[in-house]
Amino acid sequence: DQQVKQNSPSLSVQEGRISILNCDYTNSMFDYFLWYKKYPAEGPTFLISISSIKDKNEDGRFTVFLNKSAKHLSLHIVPSQPGDSAVYFCAASDGGSEKLVFGKGTKLTVNP
Amino acid sequence: KAGVTQTPRYLIKTRGQQVTLSCSPISGHRSVSWYQQTPGQGLQFLFEYFSETQRNKGNFPGRFSGRQFSNSRSEMNVSTLELGDSALYLCASSLGGQGVSGNTIYFGEGSWLTVV
Repeated sequence: DQQVKQNSPSLSVQEGRISILNCDYTNSMFDYFLWYKKYPAEGPTFLISISSIKDKNEDGRFTVFLNKSAKHLSLHIVPSQPGDSAVYFCAASDGGSEKLVFGKGTKLTVNP
Repeated sequence: KAGVTQTPRYLIKTRGQQVTLSCSPISGHRSVSWYQQTPGQGLQFLFEYFSETQRNKGNFPGRFSGRQFSNSRSEMNVSTLELGDSALYLCASSLGGQGVSGNTIYFGEGSWLTVV
């Protein structure tokens, strides 16, 4: 039973445009959500997170939106740059633990 | 500040053998977690240690085990290796004690295990 789902295995966008990566979750106990970025042959790198008490968190070009009623979150990257090309993982936690439940990832390609 | 260090980076083992992977967390971090990444299953949580105690365990068979030492370094062991154990094994560390909402979790580059 996959508790965190990223339904798009891949996404391709043009440089300068917006990238929107989506994530759905099923477990109502999750109260903290994170996005990680992963390049080949490297470990995941933390990007941005959001608590369930918020509906938006922004950090530079990255914004995460949370819709609790729909159990859906999205990561917006504006403007997208070729260096953003990587696999993006959505992860969730019950906040009180160190355990992360990951989605299977979305491979983002930003074309120059 | 050194990041999370994992050794070895690459290894090949034969079915039935056992393997030990090592992880040195970021200095001052007391929580160490392990994850398995495979193409089919994605990133899956194995277990988490804090101050030498296992606090959380994922849904993996007993062949997968781990431990943490007093200096926070951790090892994980897989016994009686199967072909399906071929994966990238990632170690992550954090200050610990407050859950992910209070601490950033940092990942190492991983150990690539191939079972033949």
